[in-house]
Amino acid sequence: GQNIDQPTEMTATEGAIVQINCTYQTSGFNGLFWYQQHAGEAPTFLSYNVLDGLEEKGRFSSFLSRSKGYSYLLLKELQMKDSASYLCAVGDNYGQNFVFGPGTRLSVLP
Amino acid sequence: EPEVTQTPSHQVTQMGQEVILRCVPISNHLYFYWYRQILGQKVEFLVSFYNNEISEKSEIFDDQFSVERPDGSNFTLKIRSTKLEDSAMYFCATTRTANYEQYFGPGTRLTVT
Repeated sequence: GQNIDQPTEMTATEGAIVQINCTYQTSGFNGLFWYQQHAGEAPTFLSYNVLDGLEEKGRFSSFLSRSKGYSYLLLKELQMKDSASYLCAVGDNYGQNFVFGPGTRLSVLP
Repeated sequence: EPEVTQTPSHQVTQMGQEVILRCVPISNHLYFYWYRQILGQKVEFLVSFYNNEISEKSEIFDDQFSVERPDGSNFTLKIRSTKLEDSAMYFCATTRTANYEQYFGPGTRLTVT
């Protein structure tokens, strides 16, 4: 079966650091993706991990442990515009199928 | 910056009617996808398409759904006989190579009454 879990909601303060966790159980694995989705808009790509370890991209970093079926997205120096849903997605069957998690709604407070 | 476009932005239709949702992929992209997102719920994979044929489809993508690329530019999703539960946002996404970052279009909001 395919199952991806994320916390439903998180709240953090402007300027702080927040970590959004994702656990997955999928029949196949060809990489883990993080997307940002503002309300009423399309998802936009943030990061991609296929090997274990940390990938850093500016204020955003993503970590993967394939043996644990676990990933996290780390957001540093939070800004108000980071208030959005963050979607964890697993690629399966060599990129022909993607399973999305339920998303984590992040609220950044002043 | 190149982008994926979708038309229409909003479609209202009556139950049982056929609808066609259109997507224009980024020009050098070869892999195309359709997703749907029911209001307040997660993004759900419908179908992937490469080299003019379906690569994979989900359980949601039943006989009422079809996709094609009729003219080498547009990528369309057809729902033959819409049901109330088809009401959702439909996103097209494209990518240069498989298993790579996907570029999503702005979506078509389908409302079935």
